[in-house]
Amino acid sequence: DIQMTQSPSSLSASVGDRVTITCRASQSISNYLNWYQQKPGKAPNLLIYSASSLQSGVPSRFSGSGSGTDFTLTISSLQPEDFATYYCQQSYGSLTWTFGQGTKVEIK
Amino acid sequence: EVQLVESGGGLVQPGRSLRLSCAASGFTFANFRMSWVRQAPGKGLEWVANIDIVGGKTYYMDSVRGRFTISRDDALNSLYLQMNSLRAEDTAVYYCGKIERNALGWWGPGTLVTVSS
Repeated sequence: DIQMTQSPSSLSASVGDRVTITCRASQSISNYLNWYQQKPGKAPNLLIYSASSLQSGVPSRFSGSGSGTDFTLTISSLQPEDFATYYCQQSYGSLTWTFGQGTKVEIK
Repeated sequence: EVQLVESGGGLVQPGRSLRLSCAASGFTFANFRMSWVRQAPGKGLEWVANIDIVGGKTYYMDSVRGRFTISRDDALNSLYLQMNSLRAEDTAVYYCGKIERNALGWWGPGTLVTVSS
């Protein structure tokens, strides 16, 4: 099975900061990498699909990059509503999927 | 508008069974692959199972394969998860999701399953 490793597991940042979260796959997954945001008590929300495509309705301050095994989610200017937990997820080969362990973004 | 609503969760004893349902609306259900994802209390997301369209080929995470069965009824616009031989570690909120472009573009609010004696 493909393992997904996110880093960091948590971070503290201020409004307006640029935030970067990384995700590494245990084998090449091409661009079959998605990013989700989850707020407490709510279902996750898709932000980025296929590594770098912005989901409809998601603010442009969110961006994704990478291919193969190394991927990045960037928030260009952190807003108050962005404090949440972020997950990467691989969907390579459409067989078995895996999520990363999550990155909690907290207020500094 | 796309809507997914899970039901069927609750408290169940270890070793017993439970069937979750997900009612879909706002899209042509038969045309989309579907998924179940779970989240144990205070933990991260864990993919459980997927089901294809047209023939409904299924895929499972290792720890539920042979115990859980994902199925769909396109006539009723419904997705199901039959869970047998439940264990304490299956305790979680279970979400159903609509697969678009190999990602979960829509999620239901979830239903809580608690496995405890």
